[in-house]
Amino acid sequence: GENVEQHPSTLSVQEGDSAVIKCTYSDSASNYFPWYKQELGKRPQLIIDIRSNVGEKKDQRIAVTLNKTAKHFSLHITETQPEDSAVYFCAVYKGKNRDDKIIFGKGTRLHILP
Amino acid sequence: GAGVSQSPRYKVAKRGQDVALRCDPISGHVSLFWYQQALGQGPEFLTYFQNEAQLDKSGLPSDRFFAERPEGSVSTLKIQRTQQEDSAVYLCASSHYLDTQYFGPGTRLTVL
Repeated sequence: GENVEQHPSTLSVQEGDSAVIKCTYSDSASNYFPWYKQELGKRPQLIIDIRSNVGEKKDQRIAVTLNKTAKHFSLHITETQPEDSAVYFCAVYKGKNRDDKIIFGKGTRLHILP
Repeated sequence: GAGVSQSPRYKVAKRGQDVALRCDPISGHVSLFWYQQALGQGPEFLTYFQNEAQLDKSGLPSDRFFAERPEGSVSTLKIQRTQQEDSAVYLCASSHYLDTQYFGPGTRLTVL
């Protein structure tokens, strides 16, 4: 089955600097890669996603890059702000069969330092 | 429009009690998922419905866990004879078909 690894588990960056979180996956047939942000006590919220037919997607300060050959994808947050402090989860999905399911990484706790 | 809602938001149960957790998905969403999230961990898959059909229940930890979605809309996750290890946040998510999932606020279950 699919195996998703997410690194680092904890990340601290100075406000205004960039943060990068990386996930690797094992199943080359996986084709959908969302990122979720979860603030303390709240639900995971989709912040950006990418499909396997593109290599990069950007939405204001957030971007995701995908390397299908190496089977990894990364979340990039630029000009970090205090409100970016949260736990971020990557996820991987194949979507070929109706019983396929999304597999989540273990999460990265991002601290934005003032 | 309204997002995914779950009730109750918090549930405290004595060990051995049965509990029922409700999920109202986004209207029109075909797929519905239940996840268990332990403190500091990512969501762990429990079960998946497509309309009223439960297509995958491989993540249910034991036969004390049961889920249903009889009319293809609202779903209920039932846990019988709760144990302390069942304490977690139970998240429901729905999607139009099989990709982007939208999560509910979760039910925090504490078993004493």
